Amino acid sequence: AQSVTQLDSHVSVSEGTPVLLRCNYSSSYSPSLFWYVQHPNKGLQLLLKYTSAATLVKGINGFEAEFKKSETSFHLTKPSAHMSDAAEYFCVVSDLVGGSGNTGKLIFGQGTTLQVKP
Amino acid sequence: DAMVIQNPRYQVTQFGKPVTLSCSQTLNHNVMYWYQQKSSQAPKLLFHYYDKDFNNEADTPDNFQSRRPNTSFCFLDIRSPGLGDAAMYLCATSQGASNQPQHFGDGTRLSIL
Repeated sequence: AQSVTQLDSHVSVSEGTPVLLRCNYSSSYSPSLFWYVQHPNKGLQLLLKYTSAATLVKGINGFEAEFKKSETSFHLTKPSAHMSDAAEYFCVVSDLVGGSGNTGKLIFGQGTTLQVKP
Repeated sequence: DAMVIQNPRYQVTQFGKPVTLSCSQTLNHNVMYWYQQKSSQAPKLLFHYYDKDFNNEADTPDNFQSRRPNTSFCFLDIRSPGLGDAAMYLCATSQGASNQPQHFGDGTRLSIL
């Protein structure tokens, strides 16, 4: 079974400093991995996705993540935090759903709250 | 812009009074999902439609139903809301395959009086 573990429930950084949000996954086959961000009272927005192409994935708003199979990790990074980055971040693996078609079911990590201090 | 739209953004209902939440999409995706998200938790999948095929999660209460009259619209019906059903309800769409991301609406926050 697929699973995702986000290693930090809360991360606090100063504006302008690097961001690192850690994620480990467990998968019996080559996974599809995503990072989503959720601002208060909003839906989830896709930051980036890994689908077995390049291991270093670039996303929106300066975020990137590196897929490391040997470490079963997919950590999210950003060189310089901005106040607007304060939000909840979810690391997600997509599992196959049995039954109709080849539908993806998202398996969510517990989420990491990113706080950005001025 | 193509998007997933949920109405209303905020819904208040009374204990036991049926309520319907709606979702529409302009992405022409064949899969539509409904999630329940409680405070400080990850979204929890309730069910999804692959085209017209309905797929219920095993632990989704019978109190929750869904309808998808056409590709663009999907509804979540809560037949007899209880206090524990107060949550954010998120609709998402995807184009089938598991390596495709899901696109989320901004959600409907449901309150129960």
